Amino acid sequence: KAGVTQTPRYLIKTRGQQVTLSCSPISGHRSVSWYQQTPGQGLQFLFEYFSETQRNKGNFPGRFSGRQFSNSRSEMNVSTLELGDSALYLCASSLGGDNQPQHFGDGTRLSIL
Amino acid sequence: AQTVTQSQPEMSVQEAETVTLSCTYDTSESDYYLFWYKQPPSRQMILVIRQEAYKQQNATENRFSVNFQKAAKSFSLKISDSQLGDAAMYFCAYRRQGGSEKLVFGKGTKLTVNP
Repeated sequence: KAGVTQTPRYLIKTRGQQVTLSCSPISGHRSVSWYQQTPGQGLQFLFEYFSETQRNKGNFPGRFSGRQFSNSRSEMNVSTLELGDSALYLCASSLGGDNQPQHFGDGTRLSIL
Repeated sequence: AQTVTQSQPEMSVQEAETVTLSCTYDTSESDYYLFWYKQPPSRQMILVIRQEAYKQQNATENRFSVNFQKAAKSFSLKISDSQLGDAAMYFCAYRRQGGSEKLVFGKGTKLTVNP
């Protein structure tokens, strides 16, 4: 069974641009969560989707948005990029439900110049 | 809000020895889950072990075991017979029971295994 797939693996953008990151969950998984990982702030929760509905959202500005499609694939978008948005963005998927473990992808490394 | 604290930014251990990583957390909830994740340089976050708060018995997965002290809000990870492949960042994480799957992570402990 294929794991969680995140694309692209690396991305370089400049300030003011926007970016879209993609996450394909494990087949059959309906829950997708996104996290931002930086050396200073560590791992911070961005948002969570289940069956195309945003179930929870972290404390990030409105420039960060996401969505989930009917096939459970998810995208996150960051508009008007800032230098501080440079980070590793991790996606995790699960079947959904309390007793289900989350499986992480390899992440997308976003660098802002 | 829930918080997770890992007080050891870095730890080292000799191959074949035992090491314990510390984690404390703060929550007002009574039902929750605790996790240890491992992140090697390859970046992928790998689940090492999971503990349900309602279970008094400490979780064990092969060479990995936890010491869960609910009253003290402590959740340490013990790695026995350490191997070179255990070298990684280790993150302690909390998740409340019910609804959201949001994980709250500690800052991590970098574990070095010396041959």
